[in-house]
Amino acid sequence: GAVVSQHPSWVICKSGTSVKIECRSLDFQATTMFWYRQFPKQSLMLMATSNEGSKATYEQGVEKDKFLINHASLTLSTLTVTSAHPEDSSFYICSARGDREYEQYFGPGTRLTVT
Amino acid sequence: GQNIDQPTEMTATEGAIVQINCTYQTSGFNGLFWYQQHAGEAPTFLSYNVLDGLEEKGRFSSFLSRSKGYSYLLLKELQMKDSASYLCAVMDSNYQLIWGAGTKLIIKP
Repeated sequence: GAVVSQHPSWVICKSGTSVKIECRSLDFQATTMFWYRQFPKQSLMLMATSNEGSKATYEQGVEKDKFLINHASLTLSTLTVTSAHPEDSSFYICSARGDREYEQYFGPGTRLTVT
Repeated sequence: GQNIDQPTEMTATEGAIVQINCTYQTSGFNGLFWYQQHAGEAPTFLSYNVLDGLEEKGRFSSFLSRSKGYSYLLLKELQMKDSASYLCAVMDSNYQLIWGAGTKLIIKP
C-alpha cells in the first residue's frame, strides 16, 4: 500500500512553454501533498505544501505565479511550471502524507528539461 | 536556524560495515528519518526514529539521541547495490521535513 505516482516521469519542453506534472496517491487519500525540487548533487528542497481544497503554501523564494499548484481532490495534486526557462530544469518530486503526521510517501519523480 | 549536517561522501568495502552520522538543530522535533536515494530516483524510506535508542531492520539499523541532536545509520554486510545517497531528515514542530544534503556512499569490491 501507500503508493504515489507521478506523471510524466520525464519531459522535455521548449523555453517559454508550460508543463504540468501530476501527483497521485493510488491507494490512500492524502489531504496534504508536498512538492520538492532537487538539483544535481543537492538535497531535496521543499517548494510548497499543498492541502486539498485550499491554496498551497509556498516556501520563501518560490514564485507562486510561476509554479502553480492545484490540489483538487484527495488523490491528486498538480504542479504547473509556467513559462519555463532552462534554469527550471530539475528533478521534481512529490510526496503525500498518510494517515499519521509522520508518514510521507514519495512519488518516483519527474525529470524536467527545458531547452 | 534549522540545520542538518551529514558527511558529503563516504567509501566502504563490500561486505564491511559503515556508519553514517547525522547531527541536527531544528525548531521542534517529531522524528528523524533516513532515506536511500539512487541516482535519478526518488528517495525511499529506510527508518524512522522518534525515541532514543537503536532500531534494527535487517542489515540496516538507525540510532537516535535526542539530547545530543544526533543520529546514525548503520549498514552491515554491505552490498554493491547499497551504493547510493543516504538522506537524513528531521520532522520539525510543523511536521515538515528538514533535509540534510545527503551522504554519497561508494561501495568498492
